[in-house]
Amino acid sequence: GAVVSQHPSWVICKSGTSVKIECRSLDFQATTMFWYRQFPKQSLMLMATSNEGSKATYEQGVEKDKFLINHASLTLSTLTVTSAHPEDSSFYICSARETGTINQPQHFGDGTRLSIL
Amino acid sequence: AQSVAQPEDQVNVAEGNPLTVKCTYSVSGNPYLFWYVQYPNRGLQFLLKYITGDNLVKGSYGFEAEFNKSQTSFHLKKPSALVSDSALYFCAVRDIGGGYQKVTFGTGTKLQVIP
Repeated sequence: GAVVSQHPSWVICKSGTSVKIECRSLDFQATTMFWYRQFPKQSLMLMATSNEGSKATYEQGVEKDKFLINHASLTLSTLTVTSAHPEDSSFYICSARETGTINQPQHFGDGTRLSIL
Repeated sequence: AQSVAQPEDQVNVAEGNPLTVKCTYSVSGNPYLFWYVQYPNRGLQFLLKYITGDNLVKGSYGFEAEFNKSQTSFHLKKPSALVSDSALYFCAVRDIGGGYQKVTFGTGTKLQVIP
């Protein structure tokens, strides 16, 4: 089945550091990938839609300069949390939809637990 | 606009008993509906979907869901619960005619299966 690999799974770093999270579709091409943030005991909050070869579409209230998204190939999207602070600590999850399957399920990575000290 | 509601934060059921996790939706057109399951510190795993056709949809791990257009519901069911079914379940919807790629997720329901 379709596999999405997300790396790293856990990051602990100091305040002010920038952190990059990778999302890869291992056995399919994904024109579109999605980045979510999940707070404890809460649902997924869509942060942005990542489009291969073009700019990401950010949801209202999400700072595009804070959360940099790059989708340079059909199998890789990256989220960089710039100058991270403790309030950025969260569980970040990516998902990917196979190219040409707009109404099919998204495939999710296993998430990245980000802890900013 | 599209939205989905999961009215129960938590559902407790005894092992071996049938389980139901509720979901209602709102779309302007016709819906695509999905159920996902999340285990602790993991991403979401797809369980089943409804696009068109038979209102009773069968999915992974013995789960099924019934699409009810008049009640705008898509409840998740399983005839006999297992302890290993304990997890967080998310319902999701996309409006077919919305011209919009985004899927909207519910707030999640924690299922606790008691041995």
